[in-house]
Amino acid sequence: KAGVTQTPRYLIKTRGQQVTLSCSPISGHRSVSWYQQTPGQGLQFLFEYFSETQRNKGNFPGRFSGRQFSNSRSEMNVSTLELGDSALYLCASSSRETQYFGPGTRLLVL
Amino acid sequence: AQSVTQLGSHVSVSEGALVLLRCNYSSSVPPYLFWYVQYPNQGLQLLLKYTSAATLVKGINGFEAEFKKSETSFHLTKPSAHMSDAAEYFCAVSYNQGGKLIFGQGTELSVKP
Repeated sequence: KAGVTQTPRYLIKTRGQQVTLSCSPISGHRSVSWYQQTPGQGLQFLFEYFSETQRNKGNFPGRFSGRQFSNSRSEMNVSTLELGDSALYLCASSSRETQYFGPGTRLLVL
Repeated sequence: AQSVTQLGSHVSVSEGALVLLRCNYSSSVPPYLFWYVQYPNQGLQLLLKYTSAATLVKGINGFEAEFKKSETSFHLTKPSAHMSDAAEYFCAVSYNQGGKLIFGQGTELSVKP
């Protein structure tokens, strides 16, 4: 089976812009989770989608949002970007209790 | 709040030496436990997992971990380090299927020749 794919892999934006990241889960997986990884805060949970519904949400501001489509592909959006949003954004798809991660999208906000 | 503690942000061993990376979790409720490895500029790769079956879990690349409920620990070991083991290792817990993983701060493993 193909693994989790994320696009784009790298992205450079300026403050105030918005960005959309995409994640395609492993075939058959219906749950997709998103995480932010920074040197200072480590790995932090953003949200989880299951069957097109947000099932869990982390402690991030409303500028961070996501959605899931009927084919389980997911997108996350960050509006009004801030310098502190520079991070590696990781997507994971789940089979029961185990999450499998994609390669991540590295976002740099200038 | 539930948390995961990895003792030592950086561990250095010689090639061929024992690798021991420590992980403790805070909840008295047995969780699902995971170890992931991250190589530079890559995502997280699952090394092994504990899901309430055998307490000694074997994973990929010769790694294993033992779940000790009384100590709320899930330490990762490998008998003999290889240069290719140099990476960052993350311990994580979850309390339901899918959903939120709570990660430790990570331990960077260096392997000296």
